[in-house]
Amino acid sequence: DIQLTQSPSFLSASVGDRVTITCRASQGISSYLAWYQQKPGKAPKLLIYAASTLQSGVPSRFSGSGSGTEFTLTISSLQPEDFATYYCQQLNSYPSFTFGPGTKVDIK
Amino acid sequence: QLQLQESGPGLVKPSETLSLTCTVSGGSISSSSYYWGWIRQPPGKGLEWIGSIYYSGSTYYNPSLKSRVTISVDTSKNQFSLKLSSVTAADTAVYYCARDIVVVVAATGHDAFDIWGQGTMVTVSS
Repeated sequence: DIQLTQSPSFLSASVGDRVTITCRASQGISSYLAWYQQKPGKAPKLLIYAASTLQSGVPSRFSGSGSGTEFTLTISSLQPEDFATYYCQQLNSYPSFTFGPGTKVDIK
Repeated sequence: QLQLQESGPGLVKPSETLSLTCTVSGGSISSSSYYWGWIRQPPGKGLEWIGSIYYSGSTYYNPSLKSRVTISVDTSKNQFSLKLSSVTAADTAVYYCARDIVVVVAATGHDAFDIWGQGTMVTVSS
């Protein structure tokens, strides 16, 4: 099975900061990676798919990059509504669409 | 606007079968562009994909749960369902249903879960 790790697991940042979250896969997954944002008590929200394609309606301050085994999610200027937990998910192929363990972004 | 809504018992006894249904409204479950999936999240923990189904009935399951999971679809009711047998306290979680869209990027199909239900908490306890 393909395993995903995320770093950092916790991030403390201020409004306006540039934030980068890394997701690493245990084996190559090409660009079959998505990023989600989850706020407490809410369902996850799709931000990025195919590693770098912004989902419709998602602000352009979010961007994704990477291919193979290393991927990044970048928030160019952190906004108050961006404080949340972020998950990557590999969708390389069935039978398993693994999620990463998550990165919590908190207010400094 | 497409919406998904989970329904089912909030409390299940150990060793019994957890049964949930996801009702799709505002669109057809029979679209060829989508799969439909179940994902769960234990309290305070991360997300776990359980499995997905196509409207034709083709299913894919997480290998770690495969022996206990059945996902089915009822196109006449625009619903798909989850059954998880022999539950234990470790199956206590918020269960989400979601649409798995396949988007073509650079001539390659890419999956992503783009629309989610609000989630339903299921507790396994006697």
